[in-house]
Amino acid sequence: NAGVTQTPKFRILKIGQSMTLQCTQDMNHNYMYWYRQDPGMGLKLIYYSVGAGITDKGEVPNGYNVSRSTTEDFPLRLELAAPSQTSVYFCASSYSKVGRLAGGPSTDTQYFGPGTRLTVL
Amino acid sequence: DQQVKQNSPSLSVQEGRISILNCDYTNSMFDYFLWYKKYPAEGPTFLISISSIKDKNEDGRFTVFLNKSAKHLSLHIVPSQPGDSAVYFCAASAGSLRDMRFGAGTRLTVKP
Repeated sequence: NAGVTQTPKFRILKIGQSMTLQCTQDMNHNYMYWYRQDPGMGLKLIYYSVGAGITDKGEVPNGYNVSRSTTEDFPLRLELAAPSQTSVYFCASSYSKVGRLAGGPSTDTQYFGPGTRLTVL
Repeated sequence: DQQVKQNSPSLSVQEGRISILNCDYTNSMFDYFLWYKKYPAEGPTFLISISSIKDKNEDGRFTVFLNKSAKHLSLHIVPSQPGDSAVYFCAASAGSLRDMRFGAGTRLTVKP
């Protein structure tokens, strides 16, 4: 099991360029997520998916797009790169049950990829 | 709007002693809490969690305590080892992992 893999590890973009960050998981997880981590800050959710063909916005979706055509892959697209998108991007997956467990909170957890460090100049 | 705060950016302890990492939250709807550990150039890895129906959860050297009235949780590592040196994030969820909010992290250094 490779777990969650992300490519590329590093990338420098010019303002206005576009790129796709790749994420693949081999654990047959239903849920996948994209987070960004800015210096001195916690992770913030960009987009998530609960299964192939289903995606939804997280806390900070502006400037990004996602798609989920297969269970394994969840690419993140930046269309017009801006300096504010300079960050470290983490993809994650989990086998979350939809909604709460009967009578209790969700007890699943996430598995993270190694991250992509993106700089926009 | 930081709903989860880790007020200590760094912590240094001697090998063999106890490490205590703290986390405060503001949203009373949070009912599931997690700690993640992160080494440089790697993604966070899950360490331990606790549901709001408990006030303590142990896993080997790691124990998480939850004080709901104070909206405070802490991670105790006993005994601390040099391999524990990493950044520790606490996270809180209000019912689903997609609602999760993370703290900014505390860098723990365990000195031999």
